[in-house]
Amino acid sequence: AQTVTQSQPEMSVQEAETVTLSCTYDTSESDYYLFWYKQPPSRQMILVIRQEAYKQQNATENRFSVNFQKAAKSFSLKISDSQLGDAAMYFCAYRSKETSGSRLTFGEGTQLTVNP
Amino acid sequence: GAVVSQHPSRVICKSGTSVKIECRSLDFQATTMFWYRQFPKKSLMLMATSNEGSKATYEQGVEKDKFLINHASLTLSTLTVTSAHPEDSSFYICSAYRVNRLNEQFFGPGTRLTVL
Repeated sequence: AQTVTQSQPEMSVQEAETVTLSCTYDTSESDYYLFWYKQPPSRQMILVIRQEAYKQQNATENRFSVNFQKAAKSFSLKISDSQLGDAAMYFCAYRSKETSGSRLTFGEGTQLTVNP
Repeated sequence: GAVVSQHPSRVICKSGTSVKIECRSLDFQATTMFWYRQFPKKSLMLMATSNEGSKATYEQGVEKDKFLINHASLTLSTLTVTSAHPEDSSFYICSAYRVNRLNEQFFGPGTRLTVL
């Protein structure tokens, strides 16, 4: 079974600064998806960024980028120019490609605080 | 983006009563939906996978008779908490799986259940 680990329960960053959230995972599969989701105080889950394992290029979405290290099974999220609206719980997640409609496996989450 | 709705957003009920939560995919058909439970400041815990036209698949430790899932159409799955007790109080989130090139999961806004 796959596991996802987020070792930082809480992180804080100053507005306009950069912060990196860590995520490691364990799998025996060669192709899969990795995701970062944001859950603000409203508790609506929002997809931040997605990475397909077979793609070597790191995914980027505006101020959000990932550092995907497949051999090390590491998938960190970098938030540049942090904004107050970035404050939320962030979840790293894994999904297999091998089974259709397969579930997401979530990490424990990292609570990000953005200080003005 | 695709939209998934949940109803109700909040519900308060007396101990011993049953509560039904609806999850709808508004602009796509979802053969697979997922039900999660989330405690405060914790990750999402998968309860069951709901498949249209067939029985739900429950995760280990989740009581089938307690949490009844019905996926009667391609756009609607329901979770019924039977004979609710205070320990069932939680935040329940559904997600719907959209089969396309990206095979995305879209999350509902969640339902807060409080059992008195």
